[in-house]
Amino acid sequence: EVQLVESGGGLVQPGGSLRLSCAASGFTFSSYEMNWVRQAPGKGLEWLSYISSIVTDIYYAGSVKGRFTTSRDNAKNSLYLQMNSLRVEDTAVYYCMRGGDPPYWGQGTLVTVSS
Amino acid sequence: QSVLTQPPSASGTPGQTVTISCSGSTSNIGSNYVYWYQQLPGTAPKLLIYRNNQRPSGVPDRFSGSKSGTSASLAISGLRSEDEADYYCATWDNSLSVLFGGGTQLTVL
Repeated sequence: EVQLVESGGGLVQPGGSLRLSCAASGFTFSSYEMNWVRQAPGKGLEWLSYISSIVTDIYYAGSVKGRFTTSRDNAKNSLYLQMNSLRVEDTAVYYCMRGGDPPYWGQGTLVTVSS
Repeated sequence: QSVLTQPPSASGTPGQTVTISCSGSTSNIGSNYVYWYQQLPGTAPKLLIYRNNQRPSGVPDRFSGSKSGTSASLAISGLRSEDEADYYCATWDNSLSVLFGGGTQLTVL
């Protein structure tokens, strides 16, 4: 069974940093591209970042480019999102999403940016 | 403002068929697969349709997807109260970013 489990969310002050993790199981992680998606309270879904299976390509949405960094460790079946210079508007539930068909999503981790 | 356009709301009575539209362009829907998600309050999005019209195992055949040109639709037949949720369409654009519609809030009257 495919499972994606996000962790690392929490409360952080504006300007702070946080690192999210996504632990994958039930499939060959190194064969799949991965994405990060977020959803602010009461808002729609927003794609943040894509990383190819062997890290040859990484893309970011304009809203996080230069502040967020996506990485992966295929040996540990894990995806990461390093978030720096956090803003109040980054408050959201953050999901990791497996590419391919069908796509799979984790249950999300809540990040709250507030003073 | 989402690149993919969905109606913000839709409604129907139990047993009816409701259709939710998703409009894009040649660089996104026109050249890539469309996906549909259902999201209940406080939960992660659940995949209903992938590759335009394929249902994952466990999704009832009351849910169906279609695509024509730069638009796609999700049809829900035999509407039930438990179908009341937010629905999102999604696709890729040619720069490998995922695009989402703004979401449609479905009310079962």
